Amino acid sequence: GAVVSQHPSRVICKSGTSVKIECRSLDFQATTMFWYRQFPKQSLMLMATSNEGSKATYEQGVEKDKFLINHASLTLSTLTVTSAHPEDSSFYICSARKTVGEKLFFGSGTQLSVL
Amino acid sequence: GESVGLHLPTLSVQEGDNSIINCAYSNSASDYFIWYKQESGKGPQFIIDIRSNMDKRQGQRVTVLLNKTVKHLSLQIAATQPGDSAVYFCAEIFGNEKLTFGTGTRLTIIP
Repeated sequence: GAVVSQHPSRVICKSGTSVKIECRSLDFQATTMFWYRQFPKQSLMLMATSNEGSKATYEQGVEKDKFLINHASLTLSTLTVTSAHPEDSSFYICSARKTVGEKLFFGSGTQLSVL
Repeated sequence: GESVGLHLPTLSVQEGDNSIINCAYSNSASDYFIWYKQESGKGPQFIIDIRSNMDKRQGQRVTVLLNKTVKHLSLQIAATQPGDSAVYFCAEIFGNEKLTFGTGTRLTIIP
């Protein structure tokens, strides 16, 4: 199957700093990438849908100014958590697909811990 | 709103036995369903999928059953192995192609 690489796998930062997470499709071009957040022992919750070359579409309740998403190329999307706070500590996961209707492939996730 | 849920949050199965994980969905418009396996600290791993025009699909040691009448989805894992221990999520797709995940079931294989 296709490979989606997510980096870093784990990050610890101080409250108030910004953290960037990268999601790359290694062997295919992804027109759409999705960003999810998962709290401990809970399910994955979709944060936003990112289409290459256009603005991301955020789910209700997700602050677009806090969670900046950039999908500048067909193989890279980034999620920046700005001015992170302890409540932003979570497992962030990206997924990517070639086109509508094709399978989603998931990254390995990023564990963010904000002190 | 519409949701996908699971009946059992935890399930323990003896190694070698078969396991069945259940999922209830509420959106009758959903036309594509997927089962994912998630190990601790990792992203979801695709297991098997099924479209709404089917009621059964088999893979290697796994079978997914879809009952549209009662909006029920199940994942059967045959001859369970220690490596099957994980959290299993069902997910549905409808409309604009966004995945909606269920709450998850933790499957523990007892040696």
